[in-house]
Formats: sequence, structure tokens, C-alpha cells
Amino acid sequence: GESVGLHLPTLSVQEGDNSIINCAYSNSASDYFIWYKQESGKGPQFIIDIRSNMDKRQGQRVTVLLNKTVKHLSLQIAATQPGDSAVYFCAEGNQAGTALIFGKGTTLSVSS
Amino acid sequence: EAGVAQSPRYKIIEKRQSVAFWCNPISGHATLYWYQQILGQGPKLLIQFQNNGVVDDSQLPKDRFSAERLKGVDSTLKIQPAKLEDSAVYLCASSSHRGLEQYFGPGTRLTVT
Repeated sequence: GESVGLHLPTLSVQEGDNSIINCAYSNSASDYFIWYKQESGKGPQFIIDIRSNMDKRQGQRVTVLLNKTVKHLSLQIAATQPGDSAVYFCAEGNQAGTALIFGKGTTLSVSS
Repeated sequence: EAGVAQSPRYKIIEKRQSVAFWCNPISGHATLYWYQQILGQGPKLLIQFQNNGVVDDSQLPKDRFSAERLKGVDSTLKIQPAKLEDSAVYLCASSSHRGLEQYFGPGTRLTVT
């Protein structure tokens, strides 16, 4: 599958490949992290979240990994489909309820 | 469950004019957020409400932007007067617990000419 070690603004994969999108967050005090998918002309759509007491969480075809030591977050999408094509944003916040701070988006393009 | 509703979806105005956006959050959600998303960037918080009280408006340009949530449900965001750099998508989001699992509306795309 395709992966990126550092944040890249775009990622192109073939249908069926696994995709890995990386994100670096800035605030050591953040203890809640969330991935959103945004399609053209739509608002961000919740994908998966993770709290700081975990380092991995799995959903349907998606896995989020959290490395607090280096303040790094990644989203893995298994068997990527054309419908996964969108811009993906990571966001950080805290469980005390402050608003989310969004990272730079990654545009995922899936070709069949 | 109905999602977050926003209107209008699109708005084109000239600089120095006024504009208002409306948001109806998911039923029962106490927390409401307004974000500004400039093309190619992630959303940036403008203001956060908890019921009808302001929790965070530190990034709201208060000389021209205002927002209210009078009855703790619907909210309006106003810009007066608009500048060219206000061209963006204005997103409304709501959550049932402060800061967690925010659900976004479709946004209002504002173009200032």
C-alpha cells in the first residue's frame, strides 16, 4: 500500500491498495484526536476519533494510530475505494471541551 | 436523525455589504460552533457556544463579525461590512458533549467581490 512518512498535500493510490495519511499535531496538552473526510462542496464528515489513553483504534476499514511521543497521528484505510477520494483532515482538541484545531488536509485520489 | 442545517448554501456580495448565515444544529446538541474555511485550508474556529452562552470567541474579528444563539438552539453569524478576504466557506457544527464528535453542516460558500 501507499504510505507517507511526512505530511503531503496529495496522495494517489490504486483501488484496493491500503492508504496511510499522516498528521503532526502541535499541542502536547491535546488529549482528543479526530479524523474527518471532506468531499467537494460538503462539510467535514466524522470518520474516527481516539483519546490519548489509547494508541490505536479500529473502525470499519479504518485504523487510527496515535504516537504521543512524537505528536503524530495517522489514518490507515484498508482496501481503498474510489468513494474514499476526498480531502482528509486531522484535528486535535481536548476532553475538557475546547474547539478543534484542524491540521493541513491531504487530498486522497483513488483510481480504478 | 437530521443533521446540521445551514442556509443559504451560497452567497455572493460586494465588499462593504452585510451578510448573515443561519444554522440549526442537531436536536439536543448543546454546543454549537462556527468555523471559517478558506479554500485549501482546514476549518478555523470563529466562535463556540454552550447553550446560549459564548465559550470562546477569541478568534472572531469582532469589529465586523457577530454571532448569536438567543434561545440556545439556532444561531446566526453576521458580517458587516464584508471584506474581500472574508470569501470562504462558513461551517456550522454541533456536539452533544463539548469538543467531542462535532457534526458539521454543509456550509455556506461566501464570495465577496
